[in-house]
Amino acid sequence: AQSVSQHNHHVILSEAASLELGCNYSYGGTVNLFWYVQYPGQHLQLLLKYFSGDPLVKGIKGFEAEFIKSKFSFNLRKPSVQWSDTAEYFCAVTSNNAGNMLTFGGGTRLMVKP
Amino acid sequence: NAGVTQTPKFRVLKTGQSMTLLCAQDMNHEYMYWYRQDPGMGLRLIHYSVGEGTTAKGEVPDGYNVSRLKKQNFLLGLESAAPSQTSVYFCASSFLAGVGLFFGEGSRLTVL
Repeated sequence: AQSVSQHNHHVILSEAASLELGCNYSYGGTVNLFWYVQYPGQHLQLLLKYFSGDPLVKGIKGFEAEFIKSKFSFNLRKPSVQWSDTAEYFCAVTSNNAGNMLTFGGGTRLMVKP
Repeated sequence: NAGVTQTPKFRVLKTGQSMTLLCAQDMNHEYMYWYRQDPGMGLRLIHYSVGEGTTAKGEVPDGYNVSRLKKQNFLLGLESAAPSQTSVYFCASSFLAGVGLFFGEGSRLTVL
């Protein structure tokens, strides 16, 4: 079945630690990949997206993600997290094999300790 | 700019009651979506619309109905609410399918 998997459900880091959140998908066809962030009590906001070209994409607030086609992965990274990065992060995928509807992973809740 | 507006933001229902969530967007987007968010399950697509007068089922459509009578509005209805429908509901809209979605602030529904 087509799916988006985020293997880390909860992550706790100290400020200045490096972050990597995993995302794997099982869709075929042409895929577009996204990371969204949801700060406490707020709606989803787009962090970054990949459509084509350079597989290393940079987003807002110092986040970046790397598309590795052979691994069906799109991991999110940040070299040094801040307390304000505390939020829930969602990986999402569209595929032309699935009507281009956006499908989300289960989310990763990140807590950054000051 | 209003963007995507959802009403109401909070609602408590008793089992069997009905209600409608309203989503309005002012960006002239063709595509509109209703998702539900549950802990550990991310957002799951309930129904979507590719234009005025059209609706289609998403991943979890059972127990919900939708209507898109006007391009700017997308209504989500619960005819007979069940406790399993306790969730946070998000509406979104986009110009292209699956790309550049703008989300509303969410509607928290509790069914007792």
